[in-house]
Amino acid sequence: GENVEQHPSTLSVQEGDSAVIKCTYSDSASNYFPWYKQELGKGPQLIIDIRSNVGEKKDQRIAVTLNKTAKHFSLHITETQPEDSAVYFCAPLPGAGSYQLTFGKGTKLSVIP
Amino acid sequence: KAGVTQTPRYLIKTRGQQVTLSCSPISGHRSVSWYQQTPGQGLQFLFEYFSETQRNKGNFPGRFSGRQFSNSRSEMNVSTLELGDSALYLCASSSGQAGLSGELFFGEGSRLTVL
Repeated sequence: GENVEQHPSTLSVQEGDSAVIKCTYSDSASNYFPWYKQELGKGPQLIIDIRSNVGEKKDQRIAVTLNKTAKHFSLHITETQPEDSAVYFCAPLPGAGSYQLTFGKGTKLSVIP
Repeated sequence: KAGVTQTPRYLIKTRGQQVTLSCSPISGHRSVSWYQQTPGQGLQFLFEYFSETQRNKGNFPGRFSGRQFSNSRSEMNVSTLELGDSALYLCASSSGQAGLSGELFFGEGSRLTVL
């Protein structure tokens, strides 16, 4: 099965600074790379995703970069705001026809005003 | 469009009891997945259903079971509850047919406490 490692497990940044979270996976057939955000008391919500034929994708203050050779992808959040405080999960999809996501252990991001 | 609805949101049970959790997916979604979330193990896959058929099952004991109805609503059941079953149980729906291909839409979860 897919082995997924996510770093760091906790991250504190000052408001306005940038945050970067890295996810490493093992299955070279993985072709879909999403990031989910989970706020307190809620279920995870997709914030950005990328497919294997693209190296980078940006959506306003968040971006995802993919390095398929090294088998890792990263979440970048710029100009962080207090509402970015949450737990973030990566969940690479291990190839076509898979029915489950393997989630990383999560990164708790705290944005200090 | 209504989101994924899970009931009940909170429940407390004692060891040895059994529990049934319910999930109503987004209208039109036929795939429903269940995940267990604990502080120690994170999010772990339980099972996935599509059109009333279980397509995949995670590494959980047989005490954990599920089913899906013709209207795509799903239930999961845990029998002979153990203290370690205390967790947030999350349901997610997607439109995926030939396996997952994109976004999972999660409900807010059912928080189970076993005493």
